Amino acid sequence: DVKVTQSSRYLVKRTGEKVFLECVQDMDHENMFWYRQDPGLGLRLIYFSYDVKMKEKGDIPEGYSVSREKKERFSLILESASTNQTSMYLCATGMRNEQFFGPGTRLTVL
Amino acid sequence: GQNIDQPTEMTATEGAIVQINCTYQTSGFNGLFWYQQHAGEAPTFLSYNVLDGLEEKGRFSSFLSRSKGYSYLLLKELQMKDSASYLCAVRGPGGGATNKLIFGTGTLLAVQP
Repeated sequence: DVKVTQSSRYLVKRTGEKVFLECVQDMDHENMFWYRQDPGLGLRLIYFSYDVKMKEKGDIPEGYSVSREKKERFSLILESASTNQTSMYLCATGMRNEQFFGPGTRLTVL
Repeated sequence: GQNIDQPTEMTATEGAIVQINCTYQTSGFNGLFWYQQHAGEAPTFLSYNVLDGLEEKGRFSSFLSRSKGYSYLLLKELQMKDSASYLCAVRGPGGGATNKLIFGTGTLLAVQP
C-alpha cells in the first residue's frame, strides 16, 4: 500500500510566523502535489513537483513556496502566515491513473 | 476556462441506488477521476475513466461521455458508511506525466436508514 504521511494533523500558528508543512511518500513516485481544501471551494492546487528540485505553480501559489530536495519529501512553506491561510492542507503523490492523498494538516493561523 | 459542476448535496436511503452527476468544461481532457472523502479524512480513489462508457467496480460504477463533458458515479446497495463527499476531478491540459487534476467542489451524500 502507498503511504503518504504529513508532519502534523493539527497546527496552530500566529500571523507572521514562518510555517513548514512536510509530506513524505514511500512509493518512489515522481509527482507530488500540495492542495488546500476550503468549504465551498473544493480542493485547489497550490504547487506541484514532477521531479527532485523541480516545481511548478498551481492555481493559487501566492503566499506559498515549496522545496523538493529528495524524491520522497515535498515541503510547503508559508513565509509569513496570514489568517486567510487557515485551511486544510493535503499532500498527494501521483501515478498516471491515480493520486494518493496524505491525512491532511488542519492549519489555523491566529 | 476550467469549470467542473456537481450537486452540492444529495440524500438517499439505505439499500437504494444513487447517481451523482458531474459536468465539466476544460480546455483539455486527459481523464476523469472520482474520489470519496469522509469527514475529516483524506480523499480516497474510487475510479478513473478516460474512454467513453461504464467502468464497474463492485457496488460503484462510473460513466463517461467525453462529447457531452459528462460523468456520473453510481452507487448501488447503499450503506450508511457511504455517507461522504464525492469529488469529481478532471486531468486537464498539461496533464499526462504530471497528472495535474482539477477538482469540483464535491457532492455531500447523506444516506438515511
